[in-house]
Amino acid sequence: DAGVTQSPTHLIKTRGQHVTLRCSPISGHKSVSWYQQVLGQGPQFIFQYYEKEERGRGNFPDRFSARQFPNYSSELNVNALLLGDSALYLCASSLEDRSGYGYTFGSGTRLTVV
Amino acid sequence: ILNVEQSPQSLHVQEGDSTNFTCSFPSSNFYALHWYRWETAKSPEALFVMTLNGDEKKKGRISATLNTKEGYSYLYIKGSQPEDSATYLCAFYHPGSNYKLTFGKGTLLTVNP
Repeated sequence: DAGVTQSPTHLIKTRGQHVTLRCSPISGHKSVSWYQQVLGQGPQFIFQYYEKEERGRGNFPDRFSARQFPNYSSELNVNALLLGDSALYLCASSLEDRSGYGYTFGSGTRLTVV
Repeated sequence: ILNVEQSPQSLHVQEGDSTNFTCSFPSSNFYALHWYRWETAKSPEALFVMTLNGDEKKKGRISATLNTKEGYSYLYIKGSQPEDSATYLCAFYHPGSNYKLTFGKGTLLTVNP
């Protein structure tokens, strides 16, 4: 199994631009979650999707949006990028939406906003 | 606001030493506590998912215990090896938390050969 794959691995964008990050979950996993990790902090929850429906949203502005496709892959979109959006964005997949199961994480997308 | 606290923030040990660190979380409305190991330039790897008070889980030289009534979990590493060097994250989940895991800041373990 390929594991959770994220693309791109690194990205540099300019303030005000838009970015799309992509995630493919482990085969058979129906839940995808997105987390933002900045240096010195633990990962912060952005979204969870299960069976193509948004199940949870973290404390992030409306510039952040996401969706899940019929094949359970997911995209995270961020509009009007700010310098503070520079972070590692992690995608995690799990069998179901509740956290009685461990998550499998991808290696992340490192976003730098200049 | 849920607070998950991990201590110490960082730890240096010698190869062969045994070590442990702590995760503190809200004791009310508990559902699950996760432990992850995150090596540099890799993805976080699930170690344990603990759900019952008094749970003890083991994976090789690593083990964890859970006390949901007082809101803490310990992670133990016996006979540390350089390959154990990583950040160890705990994450708390409870119903009504908007389906999110709340992570601590992690404990950075460095094992010197």
